[in-house]
Amino acid sequence: DVKVTQSSRYLVKRTGEKVFLECVQDMDHENMFWYRQDPGLGLRLIYFSYDVKMKEKGDIPEGYSVSREKKERFSLILESASTNQTSMYLCASSLSDRVGDYGYTFGSGTRLTVV
Amino acid sequence: DAKTTQPPSMDCAEGRAANLPCNHSTISGNEYVYWYRQIHSQGPQYIIHGLKNNETNEMASLIITEDRKSSTLILPHATLRDTAVYYCIVSASDFYSGGSNYKLTFGKGTLLTVNP
Repeated sequence: DVKVTQSSRYLVKRTGEKVFLECVQDMDHENMFWYRQDPGLGLRLIYFSYDVKMKEKGDIPEGYSVSREKKERFSLILESASTNQTSMYLCASSLSDRVGDYGYTFGSGTRLTVV
Repeated sequence: DAKTTQPPSMDCAEGRAANLPCNHSTISGNEYVYWYRQIHSQGPQYIIHGLKNNETNEMASLIITEDRKSSTLILPHATLRDTAVYYCIVSASDFYSGGSNYKLTFGKGTLLTVNP
């Protein structure tokens, strides 16, 4: 089975800190995604990447950046954490040459609290 | 803009079939219908997808109307562990150009509660 591993399940950070959320997948998927999920708002796409060193903005990229130096790893960076970035963050990956065959595989999520 | 419309919640008795509807009246010819579910405190899980033919796998069946404007996800024998939020998503997936066109937008889904 494809595994998407997020480095932390729970994280508490202070306002203004630089925060790194790490995601690693083990099945050589081209595409990787970062979503955040908030009550009443559902899942919203922050950034995605369809190749190493490639990135595209999703629906809510403000306040975030990403890094994809290796195919298996996709990092989400909060340059200066703010309380409105308190959320559940979900990473996902998928194949591009067999689009739709298996869909997205999601990690278990990181619940980030900014105080 | 929401591409799909789903009821916010549904109930189903354990052991009975759960039929979850989805309207996607503005679907384009190259857009697939995807279904995911999210059990509380977990990441979403892929269930099934289809273009225009009905599809079945070990988890569920997907029935797409002939005009493709709506679909139904069927869980044939619902169990308590099927209680989750179910998302219906339509998205174009370009097999030849790859991942840059392939991203899914999740709506609010349907909370299915399976009762004993």
